[in-house]
Amino acid sequence: SAVISQKPSRDICQRGTSLTIQCQVDSQVTMMFWYRQQPGQSLTLIATANQGSEATYESGFVIDKFPISRPNLTFSTLTVSNMSPEDSSIYLCSIKGRSYNEQFFGPGTRLTVL
Amino acid sequence: AQRVTQPEKLLSVFKGAPVELKCNYSYSGSPELFWYVQYSRQRLQLLLRHISRESIKGFTADLNKGETSFHLKKPFAQEEDSAMYYCALQAGTALIFGKGTTLSVSS
Repeated sequence: SAVISQKPSRDICQRGTSLTIQCQVDSQVTMMFWYRQQPGQSLTLIATANQGSEATYESGFVIDKFPISRPNLTFSTLTVSNMSPEDSSIYLCSIKGRSYNEQFFGPGTRLTVL
Repeated sequence: AQRVTQPEKLLSVFKGAPVELKCNYSYSGSPELFWYVQYSRQRLQLLLRHISRESIKGFTADLNKGETSFHLKKPFAQEEDSAMYYCALQAGTALIFGKGTTLSVSS
């Protein structure tokens, strides 16, 4: 199965700043996904990122707050903009499996906003 | 509405005891369900998928459409099974996750 890495693994940021999270896959994939896991909560899909097109955002998430780039079939970035303490979460990227609809996840980025 | 419910936040059992982690779903179409597991300090990983009808690490899960359930079972729990378990429903391109159940197996 594909190897998925994320950078940074964790960060502590000041409110009002922005952080860009990178997701790298060792093989070409059509669809990449970004999830958020708030403390004590489950994973929630932020958006689906397809190469060559605008990301598709889920209800409650907007491009101005979470801009996403997908420059090629192995890489994507998620930016958390104008951060507030409520953005403190684990952010995960994932890809879809080749045979079934399951998804495989990166290790996550733990973000703390002070 | 599409929803996954895991009613137990924590399940504590002794080694060798049977385990059942409950999952109920709400979905208008034909459901596709998964169990994911996250061991301490490891990433979230797929445990099993209902469509494969497989047994992984002694765990099985049967889709019951009448009861809209996909409970995860293991006849004899091991200490290494201690982890967070998430039930997930495929809805379009998205996975909808339950809130997870922490399984704690003690000797």
